Amino acid sequence: DAGVIQSPRHEVTEMGQEVTLRCKPISGHNSLFWYRQTMMRGLELLIYFNNNVPIDDSGMPEDRFSAKMPNASFSTLKIQPSEPRDSAVYFCASSRRTNSYEQYFGPGTRLTVT
Amino acid sequence: KQEVTQIPAALSVPEGENLVLNCSFTDSAIYNLQWFRQDPGKGLTSLLLIQSSQREQTSGRLNASLDKSSGRSTLYIAASQPGDSATYLCAVMGNTDKLIFGTGTRLQVFP
Repeated sequence: DAGVIQSPRHEVTEMGQEVTLRCKPISGHNSLFWYRQTMMRGLELLIYFNNNVPIDDSGMPEDRFSAKMPNASFSTLKIQPSEPRDSAVYFCASSRRTNSYEQYFGPGTRLTVT
Repeated sequence: KQEVTQIPAALSVPEGENLVLNCSFTDSAIYNLQWFRQDPGKGLTSLLLIQSSQREQTSGRLNASLDKSSGRSTLYIAASQPGDSATYLCAVMGNTDKLIFGTGTRLQVFP
């Protein structure tokens, strides 16, 4: 199994630009999560989907952030316009909604906004 | 609101020591608890998952225990090795699918 795949691994962009982060969950998993990790706030859940439907987006910091899951094998997290305070590592995770609900994380995308 | 705390924040030990990492949570109504390992600049690797009905889980040199009523979990690492050096995170899941993470314990095992 390839695990959770994220792209790009690193992204450097200028303030005001649009940024799109991509995630491919593990095949057969029906829940997908987007997290953000910073030194100040640790790991925070931004949004999660069950069966491609957004369930809880209460962690999305502001309207500049949006996430979509058009099908079971692909999700995007978009920031438009980006700001320096968005600099962080963004992780995608997936799980199969069975007894354990164990989450498996991707390698992350390190975003730097200058 | 669930809050997860990990103590100590950092730990440095010589190789071969047995050690205990602590995790506490404020709301005992959890579904499960997961321990993760994170190497610098890398993603999270799941180590152990304990269901709320379980008391402990073991994998190799790792043993995790759960006392739901007191809101505590411990991760025991036996015979520590330099390769165990990493940040260890615990996370709890309540009645939704959301994981709430602690701030982690940064472990260094020196030869």
